[in-house]
Amino acid sequence: GAGVSQSPRYKVAKRGQDVALRCDPISGHVSLFWYQQALGQGPEFLTYFQNEAQLDKSGLPSDRFFAERPEGSVSTLKIQRTQKEDSAVYLCASSLASSGINEQFFGPGTRLTVL
Amino acid sequence: AQTVTQSQPEMSVQEAETVTLSCTYDTSESDYYLFWYKQPPSRQMILVIRQEAYKQQNATENRFSVNFQKAAKSFSLKISDSQLGDAAMYFCAYRSGSSNTGKLIFGQGTTLQVKP
Repeated sequence: GAGVSQSPRYKVAKRGQDVALRCDPISGHVSLFWYQQALGQGPEFLTYFQNEAQLDKSGLPSDRFFAERPEGSVSTLKIQRTQKEDSAVYLCASSLASSGINEQFFGPGTRLTVL
Repeated sequence: AQTVTQSQPEMSVQEAETVTLSCTYDTSESDYYLFWYKQPPSRQMILVIRQEAYKQQNATENRFSVNFQKAAKSFSLKISDSQLGDAAMYFCAYRSGSSNTGKLIFGQGTTLQVKP
């Protein structure tokens, strides 16, 4: 498995529940990104990691959203007290570096539905 | 702030024909990168083609080419000899050359239908 993997692929949560979404980037990729994609829309940036350091979290919509990458590899996006408006596909992407024209490789996404 | 606009929500092309998808962007930066990504239904996003803003020559990847007009801030994608497998949602994306995050700013997407 050389690509970016995400789990679970689908998640249904009741409003108010906490969820955790996992991303396994390509081995050796320094940069890791999370995006949120609403139905029929383009992805929107949430947060960025360089190794274990979270260098940009400007896209996180509220303090209910939290991301971590403690060992500089696997990352988890956590959403606390989910709301209906959190329903979306959450995409993870990784790249060798954030600079230059380095390609971002995307995972299949986690489709979150909040009831 | 930079923005990316795709003004065609849907496009249709006959198999083997050529189609052009439009993209415009707004930025005050001189150093940046532009990308086209393809997202097939229920499948992951893959890179189609990329362009450095400092390069005047338009990028080409097999049947895919771009028309990069820097002054007009336009970055259209041309797909030649369209195939059924080209049917997907296509996103234009911008990345700053000076930002230290490398985040992509996406357009709203264009759904391409390929008719047999």
